[in-house]
Amino acid sequence: DTAVSQTPKYLVTQMGNDKSIKCEQNLGHDTMYWYKQDSKKFLKIMFSYNNKELIINETVPNRFSPKSPDKAHLNLHINSLELGDSAVYFCASSQPLAHLYTDTQYFGPGTRLTVL
Amino acid sequence: TQLLEQSPQFLSIQEGENLTVYCNSLSVFSSLQWYRQEPGEGPVLLVTVVTGGEVKKLKRLTFQFGDARKDSSLHITAAQPGDTGLYLCAATRDYKLSFGAGTTVTVRA
Repeated sequence: DTAVSQTPKYLVTQMGNDKSIKCEQNLGHDTMYWYKQDSKKFLKIMFSYNNKELIINETVPNRFSPKSPDKAHLNLHINSLELGDSAVYFCASSQPLAHLYTDTQYFGPGTRLTVL
Repeated sequence: TQLLEQSPQFLSIQEGENLTVYCNSLSVFSSLQWYRQEPGEGPVLLVTVVTGGEVKKLKRLTFQFGDARKDSSLHITAAQPGDTGLYLCAATRDYKLSFGAGTTVTVRA
């Protein structure tokens, strides 16, 4: 009964390839996210979807394309992979609160992407 | 410049010692969170502080939110090897959760 799951856990690929990472949450949350954690452990938001609609799109290259088929799933497709894309990618979900306080984000276990 | 500055970046202590991690900003927040991330896992929420001056305790962990709601600290008493991990503070700005760079804590047995 994993709350937020991601596949695959590890992804090793050659530069120029296209790859996808899948994410599913069974918490019934309306909002899902993709984060990138670099080699220095800095965690930065990439995208956010609320009920299948894109609401946050940080300055991410358009080689990255998220897709949400339903509110429980948020996948990330990356085209023409580059060396600098190597990082750990985390999916997360939350249920936005009605007030200004920060909601709790539930993170998946991460996908370690290595581009050779 | 980052929204949230954490210090120190690394902390290595012996089991039984105390430690404090700091999170500072020039901005005022309505709330601030602390997450812990263990190797190979995603971050897990430890606490959310919402009131200036608030102190919250979670077993041996004590969290404080500054009076002006610009800074926070995490204090661990009698640290144990199980406390080892990356501690991240986080706050919302423009509807996005921003994280500090993290403090890597290692507790040696």
